[in-house]
Amino acid sequence: NAGVTQTPKFQVLKTGQSMTLQCAQDMNHEYMSWYRQDPGMGLRLIHYSVGAGITDQGEVPNGYNVSRSTTEDFPLRLLSAAPSQTSVYFCASSSPVGTEAFFGQGTRLTVV
Amino acid sequence: AQKITQTQPGMFVQEKEAVTLDCTYDTSDPSYGLFWYKQPSSGEMIFLIYQGSYDQQNATEGRYSLNFQKARKSANLVISASQLGDSAMYFCAMSGSNFGNEKLTFGTGTRLTIIP
Repeated sequence: NAGVTQTPKFQVLKTGQSMTLQCAQDMNHEYMSWYRQDPGMGLRLIHYSVGAGITDQGEVPNGYNVSRSTTEDFPLRLLSAAPSQTSVYFCASSSPVGTEAFFGQGTRLTVV
Repeated sequence: AQKITQTQPGMFVQEKEAVTLDCTYDTSDPSYGLFWYKQPSSGEMIFLIYQGSYDQQNATEGRYSLNFQKARKSANLVISASQLGDSAMYFCAMSGSNFGNEKLTFGTGTRLTIIP
């Protein structure tokens, strides 16, 4: 049982480059979310989805794009990376009737 | 808007002692959930315990218990008989309105260090 799988685990980008952080879950959860974690600030919500084809913005959505074409996958796209996007990114999934959000292992992104 | 406040940036506790990590929250929603997560130095987020706003009894999970005081809007985590493996960052979080687990609001965390 893999749970929530994020790839890659580490990534270095140059300013202006684009990339996609991948997130997949095998628990058939309806809800999926992306968070970023910066030192001293806890985790902040970037985008979330309550089902395939449905996405919405969280607290810090600028510079990020998402789509959800299947229940299993929820990729996060950085269209033009900026140093301010250097952070650790977590993907999470949960069920509407559950009491736990399951997190992936995280992706450490550095933008130089 | 929802807000989680953790006022203890760091704590040092002797092994085998009990420890209380503070968490206060602010929301106008009547239906919400409160969570505690542990983040060890390896970086993963480990779910510890959950309390629903309508739950009458405090949640317990093994050595973890959540001291839920609704009127005070506090949800403190109590770890009994602390162990060296409890050294980690601890985050308090709450769900969005109507128990929406897809939108968690996190506090800034407390770094707990257990001293042998």
